[in-house]
Amino acid sequence: DVKVTQSSRYLVKRTGEKVFLECVQDMDHENMFWYRQDPGLGLRLIYFSYDVKMKEKGDIPEGYSVSREKKERFSLILESASTNQTSMYLCASSLPQGLGAEAFFGQGTRLTVV
Amino acid sequence: GNSVTQMEGPVTLSEEAFLTINCTYTATGYPSLFWYVQYPGEGLQLLLKATKADDKGSNKGFEATYRKETTSFHLEKGSVQVSDSAVYFCALRGGSYIPTFGRGTSLIVHP
Repeated sequence: DVKVTQSSRYLVKRTGEKVFLECVQDMDHENMFWYRQDPGLGLRLIYFSYDVKMKEKGDIPEGYSVSREKKERFSLILESASTNQTSMYLCASSLPQGLGAEAFFGQGTRLTVV
Repeated sequence: GNSVTQMEGPVTLSEEAFLTINCTYTATGYPSLFWYVQYPGEGLQLLLKATKADDKGSNKGFEATYRKETTSFHLEKGSVQVSDSAVYFCALRGGSYIPTFGRGTSLIVHP
């Protein structure tokens, strides 16, 4: 069974902390994505990676960075957490763009910044 | 650029009622279209997909037909159950790396 695993289901961090969210996939997918999900706003893309060491900014990259040193792992970093980064974070992976290339999602990390 | 518009919720139905959730899209070329479902506290999972015009995707009693002439991909189910209560996302993947999602429609089914 294919799997995308996020390191934590729930996290509580303090304002100003550096926060790492980890995502691992076991499907040998080239593409990986980080979204945040907020009520009424749907899914908003933070960053994506189309291959190892490659990364591109999404729609809302400010305050975030990413790392992809290995194909299976895509990390999201909050450089200095702020309360407006309290949200549900979703990681996804997929095969390269092509017909039928659906995204596979992790279970989500609910981050609260206090 | 690509965009997906789906009806706002929540949609509230009684068990065994007929469900329609509307979805329209804007994209260049011939994108693939998807419906995802998100149960409370979980990530999204693929419900069904269609990769070309007039294709019908189906799964677990849900269906959606890729209509290029109306740029639509409406989700339907003939008889909903309480266990179908969830948030449903319409999505497309066209000429870029990035899947594009609608804002989601919450479905609440009462016994």
